[in-house]
Amino acid sequence: EVQLVESGGGLVQPGRSLRLSCAASGFTFDDYAMHWVRQAPGKGLEWVSGISWNSGSIGYADSVKGRFTISRDNAKNSLYLQMNSLRAEDTALYYCAKDQTVAGTPTGAFDIWGQGTMVTVSS
Amino acid sequence: QSALTQPASVSGSPGQSITISCTGTSSDVGGYNYVSWYQQHPGKAPKLMIYEVSNRPSGVSNRFSGSKSGNTASLTISGLQAEDEADYYCSSYTSSSTLYWVFGGGTKLTVL
Repeated sequence: EVQLVESGGGLVQPGRSLRLSCAASGFTFDDYAMHWVRQAPGKGLEWVSGISWNSGSIGYADSVKGRFTISRDNAKNSLYLQMNSLRAEDTALYYCAKDQTVAGTPTGAFDIWGQGTMVTVSS
Repeated sequence: QSALTQPASVSGSPGQSITISCTGTSSDVGGYNYVSWYQQHPGKAPKLMIYEVSNRPSGVSNRFSGSKSGNTASLTISGLQAEDEADYYCSSYTSSSTLYWVFGGGTKLTVL
């Protein structure tokens, strides 16, 4: 079964750090680009960051650039998001999502999603 | 990067057809054929319904179709069914960076 399972969320104070993980199974992880997408409570979806299959291309939304770092370990079938200098507006459900395109240029068609991990930034 | 513009809500009766628009710019929707549509039911993860403007993933009903004209993409749902009631989001690649995507604000579909 193709599956993504996020972990690492929780309650954190403003200015602190948190590292999210996403464990992939059921597909050849190192063939696909991966992304993080978040959804604040009661709000819409926001693309946060993406990484190509070989980590050669990485992108960030302006709202997190300079504070968040995406990475992957293909040997461990895992995706990560290091979140530093957290702000109240980073409070959201963070989804890990698989890009549909095999290798090559990601197309941003997110065909597999995890169930998300909740991050709450509050003092 | 600004979000793509979608109507906040649309509604239709069972059996009818509805269309949800997604308006961007020449730097995103109008410039690339990397427009996707997602369906999200309450408390659930989003589901890919359309990719690359008009392609349906395996398992998605052919009642769902996508198109694009200029800077506006559209999702059409024909033969509305009660289970289609959900939030729908469009997304597009944008030329802001090597890897960069933007979502629309979402549209709540109500089946009357």
